[in-house]
Amino acid sequence: GENVEQHPSTLSVQEGDSAVIKCTYSDSASNYFPWYKQELGKRPQLIIDIRSNVGEKKDQRIAVTLNKTAKHFSLHITETQPEDSAVYFCAARGSYIPTFGRGTSLIVHP
Amino acid sequence: DAGITQSPRHKVTETGTPVTLRCHQTENHRYMYWYRQDPGHGLRLIHYSYGVKDTDKGEVSDGYSVSRSKTEDFLLTLESATSSQTSVYFCATHDVGEKLFFGSGTQLSVL
Repeated sequence: GENVEQHPSTLSVQEGDSAVIKCTYSDSASNYFPWYKQELGKRPQLIIDIRSNVGEKKDQRIAVTLNKTAKHFSLHITETQPEDSAVYFCAARGSYIPTFGRGTSLIVHP
Repeated sequence: DAGITQSPRHKVTETGTPVTLRCHQTENHRYMYWYRQDPGHGLRLIHYSYGVKDTDKGEVSDGYSVSRSKTEDFLLTLESATSSQTSVYFCATHDVGEKLFFGSGTQLSVL
């Protein structure tokens, strides 16, 4: 089955800095890569996703890049704000079952 | 958010008792999942369903069973709860090729 590795497990940045979270996957058949943000005590919510026929996608301060050859994808957050503090999960999905990374706790210091 | 409701939201039970968690969706999504979330482990798949009466095991299925008699309901049962099953349980759903949506979660404590 699919295996998703996510790094780092914790990321601490100053407000205004950029943050990068990286994930690798094992199954070359995976073709959909979403990112979820989970605030404390809340459900994970989709913030951005990318499909395997696209190399990069942006949405305001958030971007995701995908390298299919290397089987890795990354989340980039620019101009971080305190409200970006949360746990972020990457996932990979082939036919239908999504597999999640273990999560990255992002802390943005004011 | 998609119409996904989990019940109960919180439950405290004793070791050895049976527990059933319910996930109800109003989106007519085909696929439904139960995950457990524990610190340091992220979201781990317990069981999933790809249609009415069609279910299969995930990576941490021991001690859990599921049933799906209607499209909208996916039940997770702990036959005899153990302290290791103390966790936050999330239900999630999606349709073919579509995005995954999560319920609000159930905090289960087994004493």
